Amino acid sequence: EAGVAQSPRYKIIEKRQSVAFWCNPISGHATLYWYQQILGQGPKLLIQFQNNGVVDDSQLPKDRFSAERLKGVDSTLKIQPAKLEDSAVYLCASSFPIAGGLGTQYFGPGTRLLVL
Amino acid sequence: ILNVEQSPQSLHVQEGDSTNFTCSFPSSNFYALHWYRWETAKSPEALFVMTLNGDEKKKGRISATLNTKEGYSYLYIKGSQPEDSATYLCASSKAAGNKLTFGGGTRVLVKP
Repeated sequence: EAGVAQSPRYKIIEKRQSVAFWCNPISGHATLYWYQQILGQGPKLLIQFQNNGVVDDSQLPKDRFSAERLKGVDSTLKIQPAKLEDSAVYLCASSFPIAGGLGTQYFGPGTRLLVL
Repeated sequence: ILNVEQSPQSLHVQEGDSTNFTCSFPSSNFYALHWYRWETAKSPEALFVMTLNGDEKKKGRISATLNTKEGYSYLYIKGSQPEDSATYLCASSKAAGNKLTFGGGTRVLVKP
């Protein structure tokens, strides 16, 4: 079974530029998550999709971050314009929702973003 | 405890030695506690998920325990090997399908 795919793996941009990350979840996983992991901290949930609908985007900085999952499969996370503090690893995860399930999430390798 | 906290932040272990570290989490409205291992340049890998007070899980030389009443979990590595070098993340959830709240991780370096 193929895992969660993410691209690019690394990205270096200058502040005020735009950047986009792509994620393809495990086949059949209806729930998709984007996390931001700043060095020395744990991953923080930015947005959670159930199929193509948003379940939780309470911690997404909506003035500069946007995400979509138009067909309920792959997803794109965009930052426009980027700030220095956006330097982080952006992790995508997916899960197969089961009623009463334990909610194990399966992660991609992440995109390491450096904003100069 | 309001947030998920892990200690220590990092530790160095001599090959062959055993070690353990802690995850503290809010005990109210608790549903599940997850442990992940994250090796450099790889995807975080699920190790364990536990729900019941007193749960113990084991995978090879790695094991974990759970105390939901006091809000903590221990992860143990027996006979550490260089391949155990990784960041170990714990995360708690408050309901099935609910978001995971992660701790800051414990970075383990096993020295040959």
